[in-house]
Amino acid sequence: AQSVTQPDIHITVSEGASLELRCNYSYGATPYLFWYVQSPGQGLQLLLKYFSGDTLVQGIKGFEAEFKRSQSSFNLRKPSVHWSDAAEYFCAVGASNTDKLIFGTGTRLQVFP
Amino acid sequence: DADVTQTPRNRITKTGKRIMLECSQTKGHDRMYWYRQDPGLGLRLIYYSFDVKDINKGEISDGYSVSRQAQAKFSLSLESAIPNQTALYFCATSDFPTGISDTQYFGPGTRLTVL
Repeated sequence: AQSVTQPDIHITVSEGASLELRCNYSYGATPYLFWYVQSPGQGLQLLLKYFSGDTLVQGIKGFEAEFKRSQSSFNLRKPSVHWSDAAEYFCAVGASNTDKLIFGTGTRLQVFP
Repeated sequence: DADVTQTPRNRITKTGKRIMLECSQTKGHDRMYWYRQDPGLGLRLIYYSFDVKDINKGEISDGYSVSRQAQAKFSLSLESAIPNQTALYFCATSDFPTGISDTQYFGPGTRLTVL
């Protein structure tokens, strides 16, 4: 069965610092991977997605993620965090034969000035 | 205007009451979903619909029912609300043109409190 693990419940960084949010998945075939962001009081917005091809994918707001099959990971990165990046981030995995997504439990990012 | 709207945005109700949460979309997507979000548990799928005549249970459908009134409308009902249904509820839509999982578009959420 598909599953997604986000090992970090809460991360705090200083503005301008680099960021990496971890995501590990479990799936037997090539997964379809997504990162969503949820700002306070808002719905979820897609940051980026990986279906195939280049394992480094670029998203909105300066985010990128790298698919590493050998590590079953899809970590989200940003070189310099802005205060407006404070939000909750969700990793999700989908499958080729269904349109259902399995979400991780989320990582809450706090940014200090 | 938002592509996916949910009404109401906030609702407080009492145990045993019937509650309906509504979702409308203007994206023209066939596929619609209802999720609930609880702290520390992420999003869990309640029901999903691939078209007007197709309704499917998700992982936590007990205590909920849905109605797909039209392509653009998908309602979630709690027939007899209980306190552990207090949560943030999201509606989402997606297009499935190529046979692979694709982006889901979320509404702003409905915060439901059952006393």
